[in-house]
Amino acid sequence: QVQLVQSGAELKQPGASLKVSCKPSGYSFSAYYIHWVRQAPGQGLQWLGRVSPKNGATLYAEDFRGRVTLTRDTSIATAFMELSSLTSADTALYYCARGGYIGGCRDPPCRNIDNWGQGTLVAVSS
Amino acid sequence: DIQMTQSPSSLSASVGDRVTLTCQASQDIGNNLNWYHQKAGKAPKLLIYAATSLETGVPSRFSGSGSGTDFTLTISSLQPEDIGVYYCQQYTNLPLTFGGGTKVEIK
Repeated sequence: QVQLVQSGAELKQPGASLKVSCKPSGYSFSAYYIHWVRQAPGQGLQWLGRVSPKNGATLYAEDFRGRVTLTRDTSIATAFMELSSLTSADTALYYCARGGYIGGCRDPPCRNIDNWGQGTLVAVSS
Repeated sequence: DIQMTQSPSSLSASVGDRVTLTCQASQDIGNNLNWYHQKAGKAPKLLIYAATSLETGVPSRFSGSGSGTDFTLTISSLQPEDIGVYYCQQYTNLPLTFGGGTKVEIK
């Protein structure tokens, strides 16, 4: 079955950078987009961006542009999210999620953002 | 960006009740809408995709309807395990956007 396994919890100091990994299994890594979403304590869900595992193309949310970098390593079938210049406002659960099929929806209805990682808890504190 | 508005923000109902949650998009999103259920400390779980399609393994008491800008999630007979927060999410355009959530409790 489809699973996305993320790296473990992190405690960071203000101003530091963060790198979270996401390793999908149960499907072809290069066939589906990977999205990153975060959830601050007691808050809703906020999209950070998307990466294509096929060619590395990225799209970022305006609020995070310049601070977030999404990459992938096809040799180990893993996606990464880096966030720099951390502040306490970045304390949150960070999720990766499988997006739509990169080749497009050929047989609607098609799933999109269907499977999520378990989340990585990031705390930013001095 | 497309704004997603959910109502009510919370509700309390009895086991066996029929429960209806609504989600409105700020512009036409066709049927590009997901519904999720999130329990405390867990990742969102997909219930409904493409506005009306039931995800595999999700109980048939859940159903989705709507298209364009107005959508509904219905739980035909509320069960104790249905407590948590429900989110709608559009995937017509990036950025992906989510509703603010509806918290469901048992009376």
